[in-house]
Amino acid sequence: GQNIDQPTEMTATEGAIVQINCTYQTSGFNGLFWYQQHAGEAPTFLSYNVLDGLEEKGRFSSFLSRSKGYSYLLLKELQMQDSASYLCAVTDSNYQLIWGAGTKLIIKP
Amino acid sequence: GAVVSQHPSWVICKSGTSVKIECRSLDFQATTMFWYRQFPKQSLMLMATSNEGSKATYEQGVEKDKFLINHASLTLSTLTVTSAHPEDSSFYICSGRARDYEQYFGPGTRLTVT
Repeated sequence: GQNIDQPTEMTATEGAIVQINCTYQTSGFNGLFWYQQHAGEAPTFLSYNVLDGLEEKGRFSSFLSRSKGYSYLLLKELQMQDSASYLCAVTDSNYQLIWGAGTKLIIKP
Repeated sequence: GAVVSQHPSWVICKSGTSVKIECRSLDFQATTMFWYRQFPKQSLMLMATSNEGSKATYEQGVEKDKFLINHASLTLSTLTVTSAHPEDSSFYICSGRARDYEQYFGPGTRLTVT
């Protein structure tokens, strides 16, 4: 079956760094997405990885290792508004998105 | 980035009535549109995939006669919840897939059935 695992909840301090991990097992792989979702809102796109390595975009970076079925989202200089759920999603061989359950990130002052 | 709109953004209806939700891709052609449902504190759950001009493909456990999906054009898909019940109350989100295979999400529609 297809499976994506990520931690349910994480807590971090304002100004710090946090890494959210995602492991996946899917039928085929055509890219991995990270989305941010604030409560009551639709997901917003953060990053896309299809090749191994690190993609940096401002305070957010995303890493992919296809051989390990592993990705992480790194958030630096955390701000209170970064409190949200972070969803990992993998595009399978049919280009369909398979979603993780999301990681709720709580930022404390 | 590409923009997807949904209408209405929230709706309250009585049990037994039907509700139609529209999803429009405003600045790109979405050959494929997806409908998701999200219950509180849960992840997105794919309900169905629709390709323009053809019948939608429903995920297991989703009643196709209850959740009617129409994808009549490359920029419009509709989801009709028929004979709504309180357990259908949820956050419904659509997305459109463009040629680059990224999905662009609408803002969501919150449905409350009383």
